[in-house]
Amino acid sequence: AQRVTQPEKLLSVFKGAPVELKCNYSYSGSPELFWYVQYSRQRLQLLLRHISRESIKGFTADLNKGETSFHLKKPFAQEEDSAMYYCALFYSGNTGKLIFGQGTTLQVKP
Amino acid sequence: KAGVTQTPRYLIKTRGQQVTLSCSPISGHRSVSWYQQTPGQGLQFLFEYFSETQRNKGNFPGRFSGRQFSNSRSEMNVSTLELGDSALYLCASSDQGGVTEAFFGQGTRLTVV
Repeated sequence: AQRVTQPEKLLSVFKGAPVELKCNYSYSGSPELFWYVQYSRQRLQLLLRHISRESIKGFTADLNKGETSFHLKKPFAQEEDSAMYYCALFYSGNTGKLIFGQGTTLQVKP
Repeated sequence: KAGVTQTPRYLIKTRGQQVTLSCSPISGHRSVSWYQQTPGQGLQFLFEYFSETQRNKGNFPGRFSGRQFSNSRSEMNVSTLELGDSALYLCASSDQGGVTEAFFGQGTRLTVV
């Protein structure tokens, strides 16, 4: 079955420290993976997708098919990075179904 | 460009009632998806509509239904409300569905008492 797992509910780091938000997936096909972010009192928005290989706000994520992982990383956390982060797997075909992980709250302390 | 608009923002209903939620997608977008967000289950896919046709459906009971109009606006309906239906309902639009970026609305907070 298709599944996305984010093992940490809360990740707390100090400003300037490296950040790694973990995401593991279960999918038999070729995965399309995304990271969405929700800042306080704002709507859910796309942060990055693996197919575009972009770096957004200093965040990067590499798809590791061998480990079925798509961890989100940033070398130096900023206070404004504090938010809820969701890893999502696009489920096949041409429909708009996203399977989300449970989310990880990132708290960056000053 | 206006974002995805969901109305109403908040609703309180009684068990057994029915409710209709509305979603206006970004202009030009033809795909609208609905998600239920709860603290226990997270974000769960309800269904997706594209050009007035339901293309995909999640694992929810038949009490949950939806439709899409010719202007791409979508509604979802929940009949015979249960306490467990209390959740934030999110709508997302994209131009084609698929792997194109989904833009989310701010959600409708439904409370069933």
